[in-house]
This record gives sequence, C-alpha cells and structure tokens, in this order.
Amino acid sequence: SAVISQKPSRDICQRGTSLTIQCQVDSQVTMMFWYRQQPGQSLTLIATANQGSEATYESGFVIDKFPISRPNLTFSTLTVSNMSPEDSSIYLCSVEADSSYEQYFGPGTRLTVT
Amino acid sequence: ILNVEQSPQSLHVQEGDSTNFTCSFPSSNFYALHWYRWETAKSPEALFVMTLNGDEKKKGRISATLNTKEGYSYLYIKGSQPEDSATYLCARGGAKIIFGKGTRLHILP
Repeated sequence: SAVISQKPSRDICQRGTSLTIQCQVDSQVTMMFWYRQQPGQSLTLIATANQGSEATYESGFVIDKFPISRPNLTFSTLTVSNMSPEDSSIYLCSVEADSSYEQYFGPGTRLTVT
Repeated sequence: ILNVEQSPQSLHVQEGDSTNFTCSFPSSNFYALHWYRWETAKSPEALFVMTLNGDEKKKGRISATLNTKEGYSYLYIKGSQPEDSATYLCARGGAKIIFGKGTRLHILP
C-alpha cells in the first residue's frame, strides 16, 4: 500500500486568489491523479500527472485553471487559480496500486472560497 | 445507465441492525467495480475490488456482491457499529474510474 499526505488539509480563500495543494507519496509512483468532489457531487477526475511530462486533463478542466506540477516520482502539486465560490470542493490526490485495480487516496484538502 | 448511481443518498441505521445499499453502473464494457469507505477528514479506504459476474467479497461484517450482466452491486453491513458511520463510494473501473455520489451512512447509538 501507499501512504499519501496532502497539505493543506483545509483552507478558506478569497475569490480571485490561488491556492496550491501539495501531495506527497511514501513510494515512487508513475502516475498520480487529482480529483475533486463538489458538494453533493461525485468524485471527478481533474487530471493525471506523469513525471517528466505535462499533465493530461479531463474534459471540462484546463491547465490555466488547474496547473499541475510533477517534479519527481513522489510529489505533485495542484494549483486552483483565480478561485470562485464554485471551486469550493474537496480536492484529493491518488495513486494506483502496483498489483491490483485499486487506487490509494490522500486525506483530501477541503477548500472553501468566499 | 450512463453514470454510476448509488442509492440511497443517505441512510440512518440503529446500532446492531444490518443494512445494505446499491450501486448501479453501465454494464457494457465492464472492467472492475470498486467500493470505498470514506470517513470525514480521512482518506477514502478501498474495501473491495470485484471483476467477475457473481463475485462476492467479504471483510469482517461487510460484504459485497456483483452482477455485471444487469449492472449492479450491493454492499451489506451486518450488525452495524458506530465506526461504520461513513460515506460509501462505488466506482466503475476502466480506462477512467467513474465514481457515484456515495451513500452517507449514519449509525444511531
């Protein structure tokens, strides 16, 4: 299994500002994933982050709004840019298990935009 | 069914009672079905991954079944305990994992 930590665990931000969320894994992984869960909605994949290449974004998500860094095999950041109240969500990072179909998740970052 | 649907959305169960809830998913091109338990302020925890029609998995008092032909899975909790209070997420695996909105379970003392 993988142990994943995220920082910050929660934040309250003002409209128009940006927040960078950090994700640290205790082992080297090829792919890291960023999800968000808006209130009352499903966990939705934002993008897949591979080390050494640009992140792959899902439909409805763009790099200008959610820039991602992946400087090495154990770390990634997601920035939520120019925030609006609609960005209030829980943001989670995850990695795939090596030998099964499972994913391991971080504890999430609860973001509130006022 | 195009999305992963979970019902009920929320459930209150008396401690000691058993309960179950449902996940419905597109049955075409099935790959895998995941169940996760997500407690507040913690990481979603993988409970089961099922891949074959008729699969049944069990972990302690929690079990799950899978019907890939009709596109549904049931999660059962026997003798509910306060620590079972959580949101239970179902997800359909494949090229992209698609999650349901979850069933929020509250165990009443």
